[in-house]
Order: sequence, then C-alpha cells, then structure tokens
Amino acid sequence: QQQVKQSPQSLIVQKGGISIINCAYENTAFDYFPWYQQFPGKGPALLIAIRPDVSEKKEGRFTISFNKSAKQFSLHIMDSQPGDSATYFCAASIGGNNRKLIWGLGTSLAVNP
Amino acid sequence: GAVVSQHPSWVICKSGTSVKIECRSLDFQATTMFWYRQFPKQSLMLMATSNEGSKATYEQGVEKDKFLINHASLTLSTLTVTSAHPEDSSFYICSARSNRGFSPLHFGNGTRLTVT
Repeated sequence: QQQVKQSPQSLIVQKGGISIINCAYENTAFDYFPWYQQFPGKGPALLIAIRPDVSEKKEGRFTISFNKSAKQFSLHIMDSQPGDSATYFCAASIGGNNRKLIWGLGTSLAVNP
Repeated sequence: GAVVSQHPSWVICKSGTSVKIECRSLDFQATTMFWYRQFPKQSLMLMATSNEGSKATYEQGVEKDKFLINHASLTLSTLTVTSAHPEDSSFYICSARSNRGFSPLHFGNGTRLTVT
C-alpha cells in the first residue's frame, strides 16, 4: 500500500506557466513533508519542506500548500522554466533523529520553451 | 553547506566481483546515513539505514550478506556489493543528515553500477 500517493505521473507545462504536483498521505503521524528535485543521473536535491503546523511555505518560485484535514500537500512552481524540467518527489516522515522518508512515486515535469 | 559526496559516480564490473561505494558527509557529522537503490524512472527504494559504530538496519527483502554496509566514522559510510550479478546493476544513492536538531536529508550524486 502506497502511503504517499503522488500525482500526476508526468506533467507538461509551457514556459511561464504554473506547475502543480499533488501528494496525499495516509498516516496522520507524519510530521515532515519535503519535496525533492532530481535531474537525470543525479541524486535528489531538497527543494522545500513543510511541517504540519503551517498551511503554506514559499521559497522563491516554489510554494508548498498543506491541507492537514484533507491529508494533502502540493508543490506549486510559479513561472516555470525549461531548467525546472526534472523529476519531483514528495515524501513524508515521522519525527525522530533516525527519520525514514516515505516517498511518492515521482512526477516527471517537462517545461516547454 | 550540507554536502554529501559519493564515489565513484559510475563503475563497471564483471559478474562475481565486489564493488565498494563510499559516501561521505563533507561538512557535517552524520550518525545515520541511508542507502537507496533506484531503477530507471522509478522512485527511491530504501535498502538500509547505516548507523555509526553499530550494525546497519536492512529493509525487508534486502540481502545483508550481499550488500555490506560499514559506517566506520561520523562522516563515512560504505556499501559493498559482493559477488555482483547483472541484476545488481542499478543506481545507488546515499544520503545523510546532520545530528543536530530537525535537519533535512541530503543526498549524494549517486553511483551508476553496471555488472557485465
């Protein structure tokens, strides 16, 4: 059973548009929700993360929206650029120093010039 | 800051040989490191949790005798793929987090292993 469900599997957006990727989770004990960006042949890089005590976090063109009651969180990429073309993973974990991430299956984003 | 260095970035080996992959946290100490495996166009699969000074914790279905993990210091963990076979060919990625507070997980750039 997939504890973190990510959609869509792939996404095509025009340059300048908004990319939206959604994730839903099951376990209400999750208390940390990061988004990672991965380029081909590279390891994932932390993009932005949120904890459940806030509903939104913005860093530059990237925003996480968090809906605790719906157990959903989403990544919005404003003014999408071709350089944003990558695979994006949402994840979730439960507190503790040995925090193990539960991963979504990823979204392949292509931004057309 | 928070750089994780993984070496080598790619390796080709023959069936039956062993390959060692190193993961170093360059500017922070990491009591815990994680080893992942990733197949093409798929998500990351956690293989094991590496704990400094103690035995690694393996995920269900991962052969601990095939994938040997050693976490000898607070900045170095190694994964050795023993008696490699073509089905072990994959992208292996390590990650680490600082021991301090609520710190995020940082990843190395992965190792592409091809077993011929």
